[in-house]
Amino acid sequence: KNQVEQSPQSLIILEGKNCTLQCNYTVSPFSNLRWYKQDTGRGPVSLTIMTFSENTKSNGRYTATLDADTKQSSLHITASQLSDSASYICVVSSTSGGSYIPTFGRGTSLIVHP
Amino acid sequence: DAGVTQSPTHLIKTRGQQVTLRCSPKSGHDTVSWYQQALGQGPQFIFQYYEEEERQRGNFPDRFSGHQFPNYSSELNVNALLLGDSALYLCASSFRGAAAFYGYTFGSGTRLTVV
Repeated sequence: KNQVEQSPQSLIILEGKNCTLQCNYTVSPFSNLRWYKQDTGRGPVSLTIMTFSENTKSNGRYTATLDADTKQSSLHITASQLSDSASYICVVSSTSGGSYIPTFGRGTSLIVHP
Repeated sequence: DAGVTQSPTHLIKTRGQQVTLRCSPKSGHDTVSWYQQALGQGPQFIFQYYEEEERQRGNFPDRFSGHQFPNYSSELNVNALLLGDSALYLCASSFRGAAAFYGYTFGSGTRLTVV
């Protein structure tokens, strides 16, 4: 069964600090891994996408890493801002017979305090 | 360039009633997927529509049904509502030919409350 596990479940940090969110997955066959940011009551917005051959991808203050051997990914947020307060969801996708069905993690809830 | 549009944004229904949620995909997208997101949980896949047919389905009962129209817009219908159906319902669109790389664009969701 395809699964995506995220840790920690929630995280509180002070504005300006860095943080790292973790994602472990058992999805096969692997197609790509995405990190999404979801503000409360809103739809998820894509931050990064990585395929099997990529091990790092940056989007501004967000940097994602991927270790396809250990099936782990991390999202590092640098110099956090109050607007970073949101849920961060790791999504791992596989393709089979032309279909594309992603598996979602439960997300890490990040709260940035002033 | 309009993104994914969902309507209504909020909805309150009584247990046992039926509800229809609507989604217009992003321009250029031909595939629509529906997700249920309970509070504090990640989205759970309901089903995916392409070429007006249901192509994939998650672990949801037959009370959940859908439709896709020739203009690629889609509806999600839920019959015999239960209290546990209360959730944020997300619509995501993609272009089937490149979905594996470009992924989904999500709408802002419809918040359904069943009382």
